[in-house]
Amino acid sequence: AQSVAQPEDQVNVAEGNPLTVKCTYSVSGNPYLFWYVQYPNRGLQFLLKYITGDNLVKGSYGFEAEFNKSQTSFHLKKPSALVSDSALYFCAVRDMRTGGFKTIFGAGTRLFVKA
Amino acid sequence: GAVVSQHPSWVICKSGTSVKIECRSLDFQATTMFWYRQFPKQSLMLMATSNEGSKATYEQGVEKDKFLINHASLTLSTLTVTSAHPEDSSFYICSAREGKLAGVRVEQFFGPGTRLTVL
Repeated sequence: AQSVAQPEDQVNVAEGNPLTVKCTYSVSGNPYLFWYVQYPNRGLQFLLKYITGDNLVKGSYGFEAEFNKSQTSFHLKKPSALVSDSALYFCAVRDMRTGGFKTIFGAGTRLFVKA
Repeated sequence: GAVVSQHPSWVICKSGTSVKIECRSLDFQATTMFWYRQFPKQSLMLMATSNEGSKATYEQGVEKDKFLINHASLTLSTLTVTSAHPEDSSFYICSAREGKLAGVRVEQFFGPGTRLTVL
């Protein structure tokens, strides 16, 4: 079954420091992976996606993610965190078995960036 | 980018009443819309997928008679929570995608969500 795991409920980072939010996946076939961010009482905003090609994917707001097939991971990274990056982050995988219509989300990781 | 709106943004209702939530794609035609619910500090749970002009496909465990979904036009889908109970209180988020093609080329856009509180 397709699944996504985000092992950390919360990540705390000081402003200016690099941040990493972890994600591992389990899929049959080629993985189509996504990262979304959610601010309080708001919907999800798309950050980036991996379909194929370069393992390092660059996205919005200075975020990037590295696809690692051997470790089945797709960790979200940013070289220098901002207080405004504090939010809830979701890793997701597109279930291609259903024709790509379903997106399966991880449990989410709350990021706190301290000034 | 494409914009998806939801109305209302929050609603409080009495137990036993019905509540309708609207989801609109403002600048594109959404042939497929999704409805999710999110409990506090939890992930999004897909409730149903609806294609314009046809019946919605509900996920296992979701009562279709309780959560009525109508996708009557290419820009509007509605979710009606019938005979609401306090356990239906949740954050409901809709999502829309343009085009009929499956796959990752067709992006999925999310609405801002509707917070439902049933007293």
